[in-house]
Amino acid sequence: QSALTQPASVSGSPGQSITISCTGTSSDVGGYNSVSWYQQYPGKAPKLMIYDVNNRPSGVSNRFSGSKSGNTASLTISGLQAEDEADYYCSSYTSSSTLWVFGGGTKLTLL
Amino acid sequence: QVQLVQSGAEVKKPGASVKVSCKASGYTFTDYYIHWVRQAPGQGLEWMGWSNPNSGGSKYAQKFQGWVTMTRDTSISTAYMELSRLRSDDTAVYYCAIAVAGTFDVWGQGTMVSVSS
Repeated sequence: QSALTQPASVSGSPGQSITISCTGTSSDVGGYNSVSWYQQYPGKAPKLMIYDVNNRPSGVSNRFSGSKSGNTASLTISGLQAEDEADYYCSSYTSSSTLWVFGGGTKLTLL
Repeated sequence: QVQLVQSGAEVKKPGASVKVSCKASGYTFTDYYIHWVRQAPGQGLEWMGWSNPNSGGSKYAQKFQGWVTMTRDTSISTAYMELSRLRSDDTAVYYCAIAVAGTFDVWGQGTMVSVSS
């Protein structure tokens, strides 16, 4: 069981927007602005899409945005494109001895 | 460009140990901690710990304490992760990663470790 809770799957049609939630506790998501989001294709390494809640690394499309409210962080993808179909993971720094925790992942399917 | 290249796939028997390497290039090796993250087949990501290439120090997730060792060789810009007393549920892809501009923004390609009798 992962430390952060994500929906197992979400779906959307091309051009639409979707939001993936990531729920933790005050010891991780709620306590630090160190939430990140990763995109992963099958057989590939994860790719950082959002860091520190709402910052995009250079080269990441501005269709990807992040936010946080309380113990829940969110990733929003607008203008869905076929290439967005992938698994998405959130992570957060935590005050526990584990230091970094991940969500269980969300599979995004385009309809 | 900044790059992490990992060693090849391994097949081990239960009870054995495995040592995975992660060779860094394109930056000063001692500038960034090396993190290790694993992913079991069809499962999510799990942070294992970090290695400080500058001091040689390390910090492990509680689950892996006493069981994992993270080291480095600065002369060849390479970090290592050794996992001992392997079990079948240690079968996973093991990644090294660093945080340059953002958290874990550069990843190795992954090393598949299979544990089977």
